[in-house]
Amino acid sequence: DTGVSQNPRHKITKRGQNVTFRCDPISEHNRLYWYRQTLGQGPEFLTYFQNEAQLEKSRLLSDRFSAERPKGSFSTLEIQRTEQGDSAMYLCASSPVPVGTSSGGYTFGSGTRLTVV
Amino acid sequence: DAKTTQPNSMESNEEEPVHLPCNHSTISGTDYIHWYRQLPSQGPEYVIHGLTSNVNNRMASLAIAEDRKSSTLILHRATLRDAAVYYCILRPNTNAGKSTFGDGTTLTVKP
Repeated sequence: DTGVSQNPRHKITKRGQNVTFRCDPISEHNRLYWYRQTLGQGPEFLTYFQNEAQLEKSRLLSDRFSAERPKGSFSTLEIQRTEQGDSAMYLCASSPVPVGTSSGGYTFGSGTRLTVV
Repeated sequence: DAKTTQPNSMESNEEEPVHLPCNHSTISGTDYIHWYRQLPSQGPEYVIHGLTSNVNNRMASLAIAEDRKSSTLILHRATLRDAAVYYCILRPNTNAGKSTFGDGTTLTVKP
């Protein structure tokens, strides 16, 4: 397994356009998370899935944001009508479900850097 | 979910030990303490985790206070490649989902 893969690595888009990012998690991990990070800040939680079920969404996730994980494997994050404030690094992570002695630690991808001009 | 508090920045000289502190006074009994580090333009990378006892691995050591309200990540001999942002978070060993990241500690290593 090559870890968590995110594509594209960089995306420049014009304000008002829609963008979609993809995340391929570690195959044995049931959980998949999306975080957003701006310069100088820690990652901010957006949403997470257990298998194909979206279990929690942050209030940061406006109705312009939607995430899917249709078959419980890869996930997509779509931003509609992008705004300059959406410029950030979008991070995907996966983890096993924390059970017993497993702490459910994250494995992060390298992120997709979005620039809205 | 419980929060953690870390100093904004720390400096170290190369080849010297570094002790990075983290406070987590609202930790619950089911929370694991995790440390991650992030290099520029990369996602955070797992470093170490523990529950109650001190832990060692090839990257670092984790010292956990007896009351579990604080912990310290120890880099035994800092190298220039250890310069990064270090995050301490709590991961509940329950069916809870997300963890909250603070802004971490930016470690600068001077040659």
